[in-house]
Amino acid sequence: SYELTQPPSVSVSPGQTARITCSGESLPKKYAYWYQQKSGQAPVPVIYEDSKRPSGIPERFSGSSSGTLATLTVSEAQVEDEADYYCYSADSSAHHRGVFGGGTKLTVL
Amino acid sequence: QVQLVQSGAEVKKPGASVKVSCKASGYTFTGYYVHWVRQAPGQGLEWMGWINPNSGDTNYAQRFQEWVTLTRDTSISTAYMELSRLRSGDTALYYCARAPCVGGDCYFDYWGQGTLVTVSS
Repeated sequence: SYELTQPPSVSVSPGQTARITCSGESLPKKYAYWYQQKSGQAPVPVIYEDSKRPSGIPERFSGSSSGTLATLTVSEAQVEDEADYYCYSADSSAHHRGVFGGGTKLTVL
Repeated sequence: QVQLVQSGAEVKKPGASVKVSCKASGYTFTGYYVHWVRQAPGQGLEWMGWINPNSGDTNYAQRFQEWVTLTRDTSISTAYMELSRLRSGDTALYYCARAPCVGGDCYFDYWGQGTLVTVSS
């Protein structure tokens, strides 16, 4: 079955740039979406269609996708950005079934 | 404002079924897909499937195909997720999410609050 692969954890100091990657074979044909989940809360979208930012999401969140790799970048990371981040996409070859990456714990300290 | 309000927590015995509801408000229910996502304790998000409230068409993750049923009642703008033959591994928080979808690309822009389903003998 189709899989999206993310690193389990990324750690940066406040003010540094964090990059979280998501690898998947269908990413050249399908968009990547990114969701932030803080402890005990429902996920919140931070990037959609590879690089678009929903209203209300700080400009320090950006996204890109090239080939089979999508990347979420958090520039000048803040302590409040500490959360789990999940990429989501669909399988281009099997009825467009969706899949989440395993999630990346971003630590900012 | 857009809201998705899910039904309350459930405790079920192994082998039983559970039906979780997701009531939509603040938008045209038939204009957006409804997806279901679950999260086991301490684990990541797992996509389960979607329903097109307009047509009733469904699409399930392969591992859920035989034991998840997604339905909807357009008269009350509510989507349902029924999970049968419950096992302890189905203990999880179940979310519904609204999604505009184009060609299989779906964006979960609003989420329900989640429904905790606990399976225990």
